Amino acid sequence: DAKTTQPNSMESNEEEPVHLPCNHSTISGTDYIHWYRQLPSQGPEYVIHGLTSNVNNRMASLAIAEDRKSSTLILHRATLRDAAVYYCILTRAGNNDMRFGAGTRLTVKP
Amino acid sequence: DTGVSQDPRHKITKRGQNVTFRCDPISEHNRLYWYRQTLGQGPEFLTYFQNEAQLEKSRLLSDRFSAERPKGSFSTLEIQRTEQGDSAMYLCASSQSGGIAGNTIYFGEGSWLTVV
Repeated sequence: DAKTTQPNSMESNEEEPVHLPCNHSTISGTDYIHWYRQLPSQGPEYVIHGLTSNVNNRMASLAIAEDRKSSTLILHRATLRDAAVYYCILTRAGNNDMRFGAGTRLTVKP
Repeated sequence: DTGVSQDPRHKITKRGQNVTFRCDPISEHNRLYWYRQTLGQGPEFLTYFQNEAQLEKSRLLSDRFSAERPKGSFSTLEIQRTEQGDSAMYLCASSQSGGIAGNTIYFGEGSWLTVV
């Protein structure tokens, strides 16, 4: 299965945009890119997913590189409640386990 | 609240005892997953059910672990003869049919197990 690479940690200031990168150089044509986040002492929470085109929802935007070998999760205005571990995950039809790495721990400073 | 619910949220047990966790998925979801998460790591897949059928098990699921979903609704995860290495958060998740590719999995808040 294709793997993802994310920075271990990132910091942001409150009310500023945050760009969380993810590299997935071995992605295949049918792999979806998912982002989940996990707040302290909670289960993971769905953020966004996409296949080829950029995606927007109420929580975030997902920018996918043209060659699909990388993607960026964009939080337009970080709040203190966005402090969490963010996971970038690839899923493929026929697979039934969502494989999490260590993710990126985002710290938001007031 | 109609999300995935797990019970108990916290369990402290002595080594060698058996423990059981329960998961109630979102009602219209026929897929149910169990994951395990230790401190500082991402969740690791244990097993999943399609309705009442257990279709896949990770090699992490040793013979001391057993999961059931008898009526295709709630599920239980039992750990027999617990060991200190079993201390972790056990996460349950559910999704609609159609596989995970391009679909959303909804997680519960987890059941924390501490083995002393």
